[in-house]
Amino acid sequence: EIVMTQSPATLSVSPGERATLSCRASQSVSSNLAWYQQKPGQAPRLLIYGASTRATAVPARFSGSGSGTEFTLTISSLQSDDFAVYYCQQYDNWPPITFGQGTRLEIK
Amino acid sequence: QVQLVQSGAEVKKPGASVKVSCKASGYSFRSYSLNWVRQAPGQGLEWMGWISGYNGNIKYAQKFQGRVTMTTDTSASTAYMELGSLKSDDTAVYYCARGASMIRLVESDYWGQGTLVTVSS
Repeated sequence: EIVMTQSPATLSVSPGERATLSCRASQSVSSNLAWYQQKPGQAPRLLIYGASTRATAVPARFSGSGSGTEFTLTISSLQSDDFAVYYCQQYDNWPPITFGQGTRLEIK
Repeated sequence: QVQLVQSGAEVKKPGASVKVSCKASGYSFRSYSLNWVRQAPGQGLEWMGWISGYNGNIKYAQKFQGRVTMTTDTSASTAYMELGSLKSDDTAVYYCARGASMIRLVESDYWGQGTLVTVSS
């Protein structure tokens, strides 16, 4: 089973600043990685798939990069709506699909 | 528009079974797959399994093998997830989520609203 490790667990950033979230896989997942955003009481929302492709209607301030074992989600200029929990997910080697434990992005 | 509408909250006793439904609309059910993902209170996301709407192929997480059954009714565009031998740590919100491929596990592009299953004596 591929273990996904996200860092940091909590990230405090001011609105308008850049946020950088990391995700590491225990073995290569090629570019078979997705990022999701989850707000309290809501289902997750797909942001990025294929490591770097934005999903439908996702603002351009969200970008994904990386391949192999190291991945990054960058939010270029944080808006109030972006404060949430973010999960990475690998779908290269399955079953099982595995998620990271999440990064909570909070207002500084 | 694509929608996945799940059945309502359930309260079950330990040892019982629960069956959650997920009705799809706004797309061709057979052209995609469905994942089931759960989230315990205050915890992260846990993948349970996958079923193809195209050919009914199923993949379960080993953790749930023997205890979970996933099915589809293509005529009703509905998927079902039944979990048996419930324990208190099965208390969670259960999500169905559309897989963007009909034949392999990939990202989940649309999610249901979630179904809270509470296991308590």
